Amino acid sequence: DQQVKQNSPSLSVQEGRISILNCDYTNSMFDYFLWYKKYPAEGPTFLISISSIKDKNEDGRFTVFLNKSAKHLSLHIVPSQPGDSAVYFCAAREGSNYKLTFGKGTLLTVNP
Amino acid sequence: DAGVIQSPRHEVTEMGQEVTLRCKPISGHNSLFWYRQTMMRGLELLIYFNNNVPIDDSGMPEDRFSAKMPNASFSTLKIQPSEPRDSAVYFCASSPSVAPEQYFGPGTRLTVT
Repeated sequence: DQQVKQNSPSLSVQEGRISILNCDYTNSMFDYFLWYKKYPAEGPTFLISISSIKDKNEDGRFTVFLNKSAKHLSLHIVPSQPGDSAVYFCAAREGSNYKLTFGKGTLLTVNP
Repeated sequence: DAGVIQSPRHEVTEMGQEVTLRCKPISGHNSLFWYRQTMMRGLELLIYFNNNVPIDDSGMPEDRFSAKMPNASFSTLKIQPSEPRDSAVYFCASSPSVAPEQYFGPGTRLTVT
């Protein structure tokens, strides 16, 4: 029973264009969401997060949008760069629970 | 700033052998997590320590797995005896207090033949 789902295993975009990575969740008790980026042979790196009391959080080229009614969040990367090519994981936390539940990831390829 | 340090980076062992994975969390972080990543199951939390005390080990797959945190700067994950299905990448992560962001080490790729 996957509580956090990333339905697109892969995404390919052109350099300079927008990358949109999607994530759906089923647990309405999740109150904090995070995105991680992972390069091969490295550990996941924290990228950006959003609390459930917000609907948008922006950090440079990265913006996360949260739609609580749809139980959906997305990560926008604008403009995309070849160095953004990596696997992106969506993760969620329930209340004060320490535990993060991860999606299975989306492989983003940014073509020069 | 040193990040989370894990050793070894790669481990190849034969079925039945004992395997010990090591982790040094970021200084000042008082929460430590061990994860396992496989193609089938993705990233799974195995065990969580807070202030060196195991809080939740419900993700540990079997009694063959054990974890310790003797002090704030060191943790081990042991598999004894190892089996081929234990082959995976094992990550250690740490976080400060109750901050939701966790910071991952580079992982240990374990292959059990």
